Amino acid sequence: SAVISQKPSRDICQRGTSLTIQCQVDSQVTMMFWYRQQPGQSLTLIATANQGSEATYESGFVIDKFPISRPNLTFSTLTVSNMSPEDSSIYLCSVETGLAGADTQYFGPGTRLTVL
Amino acid sequence: QKEVEQNSGPLSVPEGAIASLNCTYSDRVSQSFFWYRQYSGKSPELIMSIYSNGDKEDGRFTAQLNKASQYVSLLIRDSQPSDSATYLCAVNLEGGNKLTFGTGTQLKVEL
Repeated sequence: SAVISQKPSRDICQRGTSLTIQCQVDSQVTMMFWYRQQPGQSLTLIATANQGSEATYESGFVIDKFPISRPNLTFSTLTVSNMSPEDSSIYLCSVETGLAGADTQYFGPGTRLTVL
Repeated sequence: QKEVEQNSGPLSVPEGAIASLNCTYSDRVSQSFFWYRQYSGKSPELIMSIYSNGDKEDGRFTAQLNKASQYVSLLIRDSQPSDSATYLCAVNLEGGNKLTFGTGTQLKVEL
């Protein structure tokens, strides 16, 4: 499986500010995804990060709130904009390498965000 | 509505017993099924994938898939305290490349 890193690992932010989370993979991957895991909840897909084009967002998530970049096949960023306490969550990136079975995703270590 | 359902637990089993975790999903065209383990404060870790009806074994873990019944399960033999975690079922509903996760089952293996 790929080695995935995320920065920062955790942060405490003030309401109204923005935070950019980075996801780096040690090999080129076909698909990258961003998820949110709210306290005590399961994972919810925010968007699929597409290399060279706009991200594909899931219902309930919009580009203005969660802009995503994917400049190449090993890197992506997720920005959480104009944050409110409701954005306090763990944000996870995942990758699908295409080498394991179909649709197999591996997760980064996550970014724990607290908004005050 | 697209759904993946799991009993939230906690499921408590004694050390050495078999733990049985269950998952149902909402559509008949799903092709890929996964079990992830998540320790508290950590990210999900892939345990098993299964794509065909029947059983798939990997060490102490066995995944079972029944597409007709829209049911996938995970058996953990000889359960250890280190198996105590939340187990997430994930399915590519409607056959796409996106995964939908269940709410997870908390497993507690007691000494």
